Amino acid sequence: SQKIEQNSEALNIQEGKTATLTCNYTNYSPAYLQWYRQDPGRGPVFLLLIRENEKEKRKERLKVTFDTTLKQSLFHITASQPADSATYLCALSTDKLIFGTGTRLQVFP
Amino acid sequence: GAGVSQSPSNKVTEKGKDVELRCDPISGHTALYWYRQSLGQGLEFLIYFQGNSAPDKSGLPSDRFSAERTGGSVSTLTIQRTQQEDSAVYLCASSLTFHGGTVTGELFFGEGSRLTVL
Repeated sequence: SQKIEQNSEALNIQEGKTATLTCNYTNYSPAYLQWYRQDPGRGPVFLLLIRENEKEKRKERLKVTFDTTLKQSLFHITASQPADSATYLCALSTDKLIFGTGTRLQVFP
Repeated sequence: GAGVSQSPSNKVTEKGKDVELRCDPISGHTALYWYRQSLGQGLEFLIYFQGNSAPDKSGLPSDRFSAERTGGSVSTLTIQRTQQEDSAVYLCASSLTFHGGTVTGELFFGEGSRLTVL
């Protein structure tokens, strides 16, 4: 069956450290993979998109990797700040976006 | 409008009543999506529209759920004879980039309609 798993339900890290979130999938062959941020009571907000032929994408303090052999994407936030605390969702592009369950990141001072 | 607009933002209803949730996408966005998010859960796909057509209704949980889109713009999600398990946040999103049957760009989400069925 098709699955998208974000390995950690919650991740707590100290301010200034790098947060690394994992997204694994099975029985999909997505052409694109996206990451979203969701704050409590709000809709998800787009962060980054990476194509299947791209290994890595960066945007400011964010970095995403996409390994289609391992069927895995890693999402990194460097120099993390308390304001980065939120739930982060990965999503696979087919004819719709299929979302993982999310990882709740808490950055403490 | 500037973003995706959903109404009502909150709806409390009694079990057995029908509800309608509305989504007004970003102007010009041809693709429109409905998702459901239960408390502490991920986003569950319900249905999407390309223009006024709904190629994939596979996510609708039961025949009590239906959706339509008119004029390639506003969409309405209707839940008939609501049940307590229907309580969730219903999120709508729209997208401009959809090519060859694949979502090729970001989705823009509304803030959701929180439905509580008593």
